[in-house]
Amino acid sequence: NAGVTQTPKFRVLKTGQSMTLLCAQDMNHEYMYWYRQDPGMGLRLIHYSVGEGTTAKGEVPDGYNVSRLKKQNFLLGLESAAPSQTSVYFCASSYREGVGDTQYFGPGTRLTVL
Amino acid sequence: GENVEQHPSTLSVQEGDSAVIKCTYSDSASNYFPWYKQELGKRPQLIIDIRSNVGEKKDQRIAVTLNKTAKHFSLHITETQPEDSAVYFCAARSTGGFKTIFGAGTRLFVKA
Repeated sequence: NAGVTQTPKFRVLKTGQSMTLLCAQDMNHEYMYWYRQDPGMGLRLIHYSVGEGTTAKGEVPDGYNVSRLKKQNFLLGLESAAPSQTSVYFCASSYREGVGDTQYFGPGTRLTVL
Repeated sequence: GENVEQHPSTLSVQEGDSAVIKCTYSDSASNYFPWYKQELGKRPQLIIDIRSNVGEKKDQRIAVTLNKTAKHFSLHITETQPEDSAVYFCAARSTGGFKTIFGAGTRLFVKA
């Protein structure tokens, strides 16, 4: 049971390049989330999904797209990377969004956009 | 929109002392309050949580208190140890809101 995994762990992009971050979970969780973490700003929700085939916007969705074609995977895409997207990205999953349902985080992806 | 404020941003204590981190939330519909610990370069991990129908919860050296009227909740760590050094995040969530709002974090240093 690997929990929540993310690939890649590190990535450096040039402005304008695109990339996809992959999140996978083997806990049969319905809900999945993408956060970004910047110094002094905690975790901010980018997009989330409440089940296979569904996605929704979070607090800071601009410049990102997501897809949840399979229940266990949640992809985060950057179509045209900008330096402002330099951050650490965390994926998380939970069984549901009820009271007490813990979010389990992946190990993070450190992205630098030059 | 919903907001969670967390104080202090940095906290330094001597080993063995207590540490208290305070959070305030804005959404009165919030009913679940988890606390996460994040060690340097690692992922956030849940350390304790509290539901809105409970005023206090304790787990060994850590405890959380909730004042729904004032919309305050706090994390208390007693007999701090160097391995408690980390960033701690509070969060608030309301049922059906599909969002967990995080505080900005408190960096705790425990000096040996």
